[in-house]
Amino acid sequence: GAVVSQHPSWVICKSGTSVKIECRSLDFQATTMFWYRQFPKQSLMLMATSNEGSKATYEQGVEKDKFLINHASLTLSTLTVTSAHPEDSSFYICSARDRGSQYNEKLFFGSGTQLSVL
Amino acid sequence: QKEVEQNSGPLSVPEGAIASLNCTYSDRGSQSFFWYRQYSGKSPELIMFIYSNGDKEDGRFTAQLNKASQYVSLLIRDSQPSDSATYLCAVKRRGSGYSTLTFGKGTMLLVSP
Repeated sequence: GAVVSQHPSWVICKSGTSVKIECRSLDFQATTMFWYRQFPKQSLMLMATSNEGSKATYEQGVEKDKFLINHASLTLSTLTVTSAHPEDSSFYICSARDRGSQYNEKLFFGSGTQLSVL
Repeated sequence: QKEVEQNSGPLSVPEGAIASLNCTYSDRGSQSFFWYRQYSGKSPELIMFIYSNGDKEDGRFTAQLNKASQYVSLLIRDSQPSDSATYLCAVKRRGSGYSTLTFGKGTMLLVSP
């Protein structure tokens, strides 16, 4: 199956700093990538949809100025958590849909990033 | 009403038994249904997807869909300790032009040796 690479796997940072998370589709082109957040024992919550070459679409309640998304190419999307606070500590997961399969409903997930803000 | 509901569990079954995981959804127009398995600290991995009413079998896994009852289930036959994980039910929203999934909270499955 398709491979989505996500880095870093975990990051610890001080409150007030910014953290960048990368999501790459390794063997396919992804016009659309999705960013999810998961708190312990909770479901995956969609934060935003990242579209190559255009602005991301954010879900209600997600601050676009705090969670900056850039989808500069067909294989790379980045999520930057700006001015991170302890409440931003969570498991962040990206996923991608294969551009070549328009009706393929299957998403391919990255390995996730555990963010801990001190 | 939550869009996708699952019993959080844990569901405990002995090795070799059949595990039955259930999921209900609120949007009657939902079109596609997915089961993902998620090990602790890891990202989800797709097990099965189903579009049509009835059963779909893949190895030890069977997905069952009943759109009239807005119910989808996953059966795991001959359960193994390695099946112990959280199983997430996901539903594709009606009308979305791309694969935006709504996830349930997941059911934790524990298979004891």
